Amino acid sequence: KNEVEQSPQNLTAQEGEFITINCSYSVGISALHWLQQHPGGGIVSLFMLSSGKKKHGRLIATINIQEKHSSLHITASHPRDSAVYICAVRSIGGADGLTFGKGTHLIIQP
Amino acid sequence: DTGVSQNPRHKITKRGQNVTFRCDPISEHNRLYWYRQTLGQGPEFLTYFQNEAQLEKSRLLSDRFSAERPKGSFSTLEIQRTEQGDSAMYLCASSLGGGARLYGYTFGSGTRLTVV
Repeated sequence: KNEVEQSPQNLTAQEGEFITINCSYSVGISALHWLQQHPGGGIVSLFMLSSGKKKHGRLIATINIQEKHSSLHITASHPRDSAVYICAVRSIGGADGLTFGKGTHLIIQP
Repeated sequence: DTGVSQNPRHKITKRGQNVTFRCDPISEHNRLYWYRQTLGQGPEFLTYFQNEAQLEKSRLLSDRFSAERPKGSFSTLEIQRTEQGDSAMYLCASSLGGGARLYGYTFGSGTRLTVV
């Protein structure tokens, strides 16, 4: 079982829809990252969370440490939001690198 | 500063050849990480440096892999006697600080390796 599980694996939605991507993890963490990866490989860090909620533009990320769960929300989705969204965690006491989920492939249709 | 830079962007090599990739992190970042990503999977941690010291190596990093960061700035990842299974995207990231204080985690665009 992966330490970081994301759902759904694939999501296709219409422009304007509210999008939710979920991430569950099984280890104690010091931080959780949400990342966006476009075709061609470039990865952009969207959020780093250790508690609560963060908002940037149309993106909102929340984390519940007790339940070991985080969500990434996109409001008023747009075709340019189409990408792979990856959840990654930094484990407490483990290697200092990130452990990644497999990603959620999001397609927003016009 | 233009972010984390990786070279080359693409590399095609014959099985058995050696390859070397370079990563130039954000200049003030003291931590540098290497990851490998295969098709359809999330990245996997390989190793990281704090300044010039290599502090952690994943068991994924076989003896054919070696990474250096000689002056605490750029880093190189070398793969010797490449195998087809080494075909992947190799990602570099850098950050400032460590532990609970980690700032500016930034990825490069990666080097895509194809072993034929």
